[in-house]
Amino acid sequence: GAVVSQHPSRVICKSGTSVKIECRSLDFQATTMFWYRQFPKQSLMLMATSNEGSKATYEQGVEKDKFLINHASLTLSTLTVTSAHPEDSSFYICSAQTGEDQPQHFGDGTRLSIL
Amino acid sequence: AQTVTQSQPEMSVQEAETVTLSCTYDTSENNYYLFWYKQPPSRQMILVIRQEAYKQQNATENRFSVNFQKAAKSFSLKISDSQLGDTAMYFCAFMKHRGWGAQKLVFGQGTRLTINP
Repeated sequence: GAVVSQHPSRVICKSGTSVKIECRSLDFQATTMFWYRQFPKQSLMLMATSNEGSKATYEQGVEKDKFLINHASLTLSTLTVTSAHPEDSSFYICSAQTGEDQPQHFGDGTRLSIL
Repeated sequence: AQTVTQSQPEMSVQEAETVTLSCTYDTSENNYYLFWYKQPPSRQMILVIRQEAYKQQNATENRFSVNFQKAAKSFSLKISDSQLGDTAMYFCAFMKHRGWGAQKLVFGQGTRLTINP
């Protein structure tokens, strides 16, 4: 149980392209999902907290207009990197809780490379 | 704000040995949760073990156990009979109780553990 699916696993695209990453909870409903960014050999950095039906809460320093988050249903959250540039290249991971006070379960991550 | 510190950037042991990874944290809250996550080279984040702060008994999951010292704000992970598949980055993480707002995870810097054959 508690499976989180993230798609795509790898994206390579040209600078200026917008990229959408999907995060789905397959066997549970997730009222809250989280989006992280991870640089090589570093820890996970929380970008935003996504709540179903409401606007995402972004961490300080994260550009809301650059990283658009939509949580339209209890099983799906999307992260769109708008007008991506090489500095946006990174590993992005989503997670979801099965309920309050429960651990976060993670997707397999998306490796984004902007040429 | 809560902080989590892992003071061992890298560790290396022989297969079948026991290894302990250290983690300390800082919080003013009394109710919270602590986790160890494992990130193998595939980069998938895997939950290893969890501990509720209000429980005095240390959590165990097969070969994995923790030493939770609430007063010292210490939460170490012990891996017994280590296996090659335990090679991974290990992250200690803190989460507030639901009564304190959004339950974001605060991660430590990670410890890279290598199990040698």
